[in-house]
Amino acid sequence: TQLLEQSPQFLSIQEGENLTVYCNSSSVFSSLQWYRQEPGEGPVLLVTVVTGGEVKKLKRLTFQFGDARKDSSLHITAAQPGDTGLYLCAGGNYGQNFVFGPGTRLSVLP
Amino acid sequence: EAQVTQNPRYLITVTGKKLTVTCSQNMNHEYMSWYRQDPGLGLRQIYYSMNVEVTDKGDVPEGYKVSRKEKRNFPLILESPSPNQTSLYFCASSVLIQNTGTGQPQHFGDGTRLSIL
Repeated sequence: TQLLEQSPQFLSIQEGENLTVYCNSSSVFSSLQWYRQEPGEGPVLLVTVVTGGEVKKLKRLTFQFGDARKDSSLHITAAQPGDTGLYLCAGGNYGQNFVFGPGTRLSVLP
Repeated sequence: EAQVTQNPRYLITVTGKKLTVTCSQNMNHEYMSWYRQDPGLGLRQIYYSMNVEVTDKGDVPEGYKVSRKEKRNFPLILESPSPNQTSLYFCASSVLIQNTGTGQPQHFGDGTRLSIL
């Protein structure tokens, strides 16, 4: 079974700070996704990365897929309270189910 | 509006009483799946379906059943619920990505919180 680990598990920062969260595995994935989940709601897809070394930007969020396609990072610049939530990564391979990491719970304080 | 709708949103019931959680999507997606979310464990897939009448087990299928008689609906059935099935459940749908042989969960419902006493 492929496993994904995420770090840190919890993160509390002040508005305006930068942060990076990580998603790691010993397995290679053909694609990796990042989601944000807010209380009482389902996860919302932020990005899908498929190429090793790929970098995608979504406003203040920067996503990177590792060269070996075993890991990924999410960097947030100048965090805002609206960024608060649970960030989940999920990896997939051909013919296999997507597996989710346990998540990083981010709290951005005003 | 594109959406995945789950019902009920909350349910408290007792051990052994059969229950069904419905899931419906309006995006004509081939791929649908069910997950449970537990603290510290993330989302774990229960069952998935790549099209009508095609279902398969995910990582934690024990104690659950599903059916896919129509493309838009994918109900989750607990024939004899037990307390260890107390959890937050999510239904998800996506197009079937042909060159991956699977779906990539893209649209999630808002969840169903089940408590089995």
